[in-house]
Amino acid sequence: EIVLTQSPGTLSLSPGERATLSCRASQSVSSSYFAWYQQKPGQAPRLLIYAASSRATAIPDRFSGSGSGTDFTLTISRLEPEDFAVYYCQQYGSSPQTFGQGTKLEIK
Amino acid sequence: QITLKESGPTLVKPTQTLTLTCTFSGFSLSTSGVGVGWIRQPPGKALEWLTLIYWNDDKRYSPSLKSRLTITKDTSKNQVVLTMTNMDPVDTATYYCAHRYSGNYYDYWGQGTLVTVSS
Repeated sequence: EIVLTQSPGTLSLSPGERATLSCRASQSVSSSYFAWYQQKPGQAPRLLIYAASSRATAIPDRFSGSGSGTDFTLTISRLEPEDFAVYYCQQYGSSPQTFGQGTKLEIK
Repeated sequence: QITLKESGPTLVKPTQTLTLTCTFSGFSLSTSGVGVGWIRQPPGKALEWLTLIYWNDDKRYSPSLKSRLTITKDTSKNQVVLTMTNMDPVDTATYYCAHRYSGNYYDYWGQGTLVTVSS
């Protein structure tokens, strides 16, 4: 089973700043089968990025994904107030699919 | 418009069997490439993938829970049913069902249902 480790656990930033969230896999993720989700309190997760770098429908272009192999990154270019949430990475290239433990993005 | 909604008991006793139903609309589970998965989230903790059923009735299970899980589909009713046996307090979580298409990522999610395991 591929273990995903997200860092940092908590990221404190201000609106307008750039956010960089990392996810490292314990083994190489095949064919960049990698996704990112955003979750706000009391809500279901929302798909942001799939195939490592493809934005899901209606996701603003300030969200971007990159990476391959074992290292993946979610970047939010300019934080908006609504972006403060918990973010999860997921690999689906190897069975079983797995999620990371989450990064909480909080307002500084 | 794709929607999914989970239903089932909010409270179960230890050792009981949990049965949750995911009722969906806006897609068909007989369409090639489509699947419905279950993911859970204990309070304040991370997401955990449980199981996935595909349009062709192929099924995948989390290895750590495989002996306790069963997933089935009723295409005519647009429903997917999750059964988890021998429930324990550590299984207390919000259970989500979600839609997948072409890749095992989830683009539409239900609102989730909180299941508490307690005597």
